[in-house]
Amino acid sequence: DVKVTQSSRYLVKRTGEKVFLECVQDMDHENMFWYRQDPGLGLRLIYFSYDVKMKEKGDIPEGYSVSREKKERFSLILESASTNQTSMYLCASTAARETQYFGPGTRLLVL
Amino acid sequence: DQQVKQNSPSLSVQEGRISILNCDYTNSMFDYFLWYKKYPAEGPTFLISISSIKDKNEDGRFTVFLNKSAKHLSLHIVPSQPGDSAVYFCAASASGNQFYFGTGTSLTVIP
Repeated sequence: DVKVTQSSRYLVKRTGEKVFLECVQDMDHENMFWYRQDPGLGLRLIYFSYDVKMKEKGDIPEGYSVSREKKERFSLILESASTNQTSMYLCASTAARETQYFGPGTRLLVL
Repeated sequence: DQQVKQNSPSLSVQEGRISILNCDYTNSMFDYFLWYKKYPAEGPTFLISISSIKDKNEDGRFTVFLNKSAKHLSLHIVPSQPGDSAVYFCAASASGNQFYFGTGTSLTVIP
């Protein structure tokens, strides 16, 4: 079974803090993705990566950065958290042109 | 601009009846379509997919229909069960690795 894990299920941070969200997959997938889910807006792609050290902007990259130093790990970084980044963050991985598998999500609250 | 649309934010169905969830897309280059199911506080889980060379795919109680000329797909659940109550997302991709998600339809199956 594919397993995608995320470092935290719930996080509470203060405005201006630097936030790290980590995602690890155990299926040797090339592609990894970070989405955020907000009511009425569905899943919106923040960043994705096709390979180690490679990254591509998604639809809403502003305020975020990513890091992929190892194939199995994809990190999302909020350089200076803001209240409008309160959301559910979902990581996914996939082999090329196949179904995406999602982690359990991290619910982030920025106060 | 939303390339994948789910125009019904919610749907209620009696247990045992058919649930029909709809999805429309605008990009004629999309050639692979998926449905995901999501429970609160969990990541989406893959349900069923269809490629553009087919117009129907079945898996147990779940059937996905694709109408390429109308740029429309639908998910049928028969018979509906209370455990099917969840948010359903459709997603689409072109010949690449990025997936575009709809905004979701919240299905409630009434016992």
